[in-house]
Amino acid sequence: GQNIDQPTEMTATEGAIVQINCTYQTSGFNGLFWYQQHAGEAPTFLSYNVLDGLEEKGRFSSFLSRSKGYSYLLLKELQMKDSASYLCAVRGRSGTYKYIFGTGTRLKVLA
Amino acid sequence: EAGVTQFPSHSVIEKGQTVTLRCDPISGHDNLYWYRRVMGKEIKFLLHFVKESKQDESGMPNNRFLAERTGGTYSTLKVQPAELEDSGVYFCASSQGREAFFGQGTRLTVV
Repeated sequence: GQNIDQPTEMTATEGAIVQINCTYQTSGFNGLFWYQQHAGEAPTFLSYNVLDGLEEKGRFSSFLSRSKGYSYLLLKELQMKDSASYLCAVRGRSGTYKYIFGTGTRLKVLA
Repeated sequence: EAGVTQFPSHSVIEKGQTVTLRCDPISGHDNLYWYRRVMGKEIKFLLHFVKESKQDESGMPNNRFLAERTGGTYSTLKVQPAELEDSGVYFCASSQGREAFFGQGTRLTVV
């Protein structure tokens, strides 16, 4: 079967660093995506990994290990506005463009 | 540039009625996707259009759901007749490359 696991909820303090983990088991792999979704809004693209390693984009970084079926999203210098759901999504076998989503991680940033 | 827009934002209908959801993708995007999130569950793929052709409709729940994309621009998703289990948030996304851009979703409640 196809399965993506991520923690349901996390809490962190403003200014801190938080790491949101995602493990996946899919039939084929053609990229892993992280999206941010504020309540009632559209999911917005954060990052993309298709090769092993770390991708850095400002305060956000994403890591991928294909052999372990593992990714994480690292958020630095947390701000109150980072309180949102973070969705891990995998694009399966080559030739298909659909995403397989995890249930999302609700992050609450406290002052 | 306008993003992906969906209409209506909310819809409450009675079991047995018909509802039509609309999605306007980002102009020029050939790929259009429909996803659904049932409460407490992950976002799940419904179908994928490339221009006006259905590329993948493996996620459509049953024949009460009909999606169209006449002319390869906007798309509609009709549910007829609606059942209680059809309640959820229906997301549309479009892409013309690596990542997909999502709309805010239509919250459908069947009572």
